[in-house]
Amino acid sequence: DAGITQSPRHKVTETGTPVTLRCHQTENHRYMYWYRQDPGHGLRLIHYSYGVKDTDKGEVSDGYSVSRSKTEDFLLTLESATSSQTSVYFCAISELSSPTDTQYFGPGTRLTVL
Amino acid sequence: AQSVTQLGSHVSVSEGALVLLRCNYSSSVPPYLFWYVQYPNQGLQLLLKYTSAATLVKGINGFEAEFKKSETSFHLTKPSAHMSDAAEYFCAVSDILTGGGNKLTFGTGTQLKVEL
Repeated sequence: DAGITQSPRHKVTETGTPVTLRCHQTENHRYMYWYRQDPGHGLRLIHYSYGVKDTDKGEVSDGYSVSRSKTEDFLLTLESATSSQTSVYFCAISELSSPTDTQYFGPGTRLTVL
Repeated sequence: AQSVTQLGSHVSVSEGALVLLRCNYSSSVPPYLFWYVQYPNQGLQLLLKYTSAATLVKGINGFEAEFKKSETSFHLTKPSAHMSDAAEYFCAVSDILTGGGNKLTFGTGTQLKVEL
């Protein structure tokens, strides 16, 4: 298994509070991704990183920001959480810039916004 | 934009029966396709991927998929289902991202139930 951990694994928070989720990898892979999983939607890309301090938006980036100060860590921040951000969040990593490269997924963080 | 459609959000089979999970793609260019499996409360695990090297792709746990351009399909099959195959299965199409890396666009998933 790829060395990917996510913390916390579960979190309950209230509307309007900031939340930061952490993804940590031990594989030294260049590319890191944040997805959210919702019933009926599969997984959708929120943001991704192509190197330290290099990030870009995915298809559902509104309300989210990211940072990557070290190769191994990729943080996802909800500046002011809303109920629509209740979801399961997955981090993924990949090594190459190729459409055939495999993405390896972390165990996920279940976030509930009340 | 590339997309995939998974027909059947729930599929139920008997143990020992054929498993067939459907995935159709929409793409103007040759697609790169993936199948992932998700067991309860876990992340996604790669089953197999189509990289254009061969149309019949064999994966882990006895699964395979055949790329059919004429039908725009990449259906997942397994000759004999096991109880341990019960999980959710996702088909995805891959595309290069602007900064590098690849974006996976997922289907909505198929929950496979295996009955005794």
